[in-house]
Amino acid sequence: GAGVSQSPRYKVAKRGQDVALRCDPISGHVSLFWYQQALGQGPEFLTYFQNEAQLDKSGLPSDRFFAERPEGSVSTLKIQRTQQEDSAVYLCASSLAGAGTDTQYFGPGTRLTVL
Amino acid sequence: AQSVTQPDIHITVSEGASLELRCNYSYGATPYLFWYVQSPGQGLQLLLKYFSGDTLVQGIKGFEAEFKRSQSSFNLRKPSVHWSDAAEYFCAVGGIGTGANNLFFGTGTRLTVIP
Repeated sequence: GAGVSQSPRYKVAKRGQDVALRCDPISGHVSLFWYQQALGQGPEFLTYFQNEAQLDKSGLPSDRFFAERPEGSVSTLKIQRTQQEDSAVYLCASSLAGAGTDTQYFGPGTRLTVL
Repeated sequence: AQSVTQPDIHITVSEGASLELRCNYSYGATPYLFWYVQSPGQGLQLLLKYFSGDTLVQGIKGFEAEFKRSQSSFNLRKPSVHWSDAAEYFCAVGGIGTGANNLFFGTGTRLTVIP
């Protein structure tokens, strides 16, 4: 594909519902990142995969957040029992190899609103 | 505390005028430095990056940035702004400690361009 794609683009959930956000990285990119961007803020790191291995999940705010990338390509970020403070744009990025110097290519994001 | 600071929340410039967006970082070592631009509804796009070597870096869309170690700064510049440059600009650092593969972002500077 031409770039990183994310779906859905918009998601409205009632408090307490579970949601799943999908990311399709650029084909062949080894590394995949999830970031959370609250309104008026810069993105904040959530978690990082190299192929199917989740190497860093230090940014996940609680155990309600779970991410997977079972086949080393598509990734899903799942949020259980959503809370209002989970409302944000969730950005996915991929990079070719995952070195700190690699360019991260970002998707358009999924805007999650929790009512 | 480690941080990335963008002191200007909002800047307004006239089309054709020059632009400088400020970025300061607070880390023990020189990190990898990036500038990203985010247009409404779009993903983050990399403008330029600095790892080492020449401290003046050229990027896309006519942007440049200068790394100044003594000031821990990486300011973004453009000699003549176009209306299409109106967007949100984020400075980011990478290559830091155990999170060497992910990026830490500033809070962003929103640029408005007036005719």
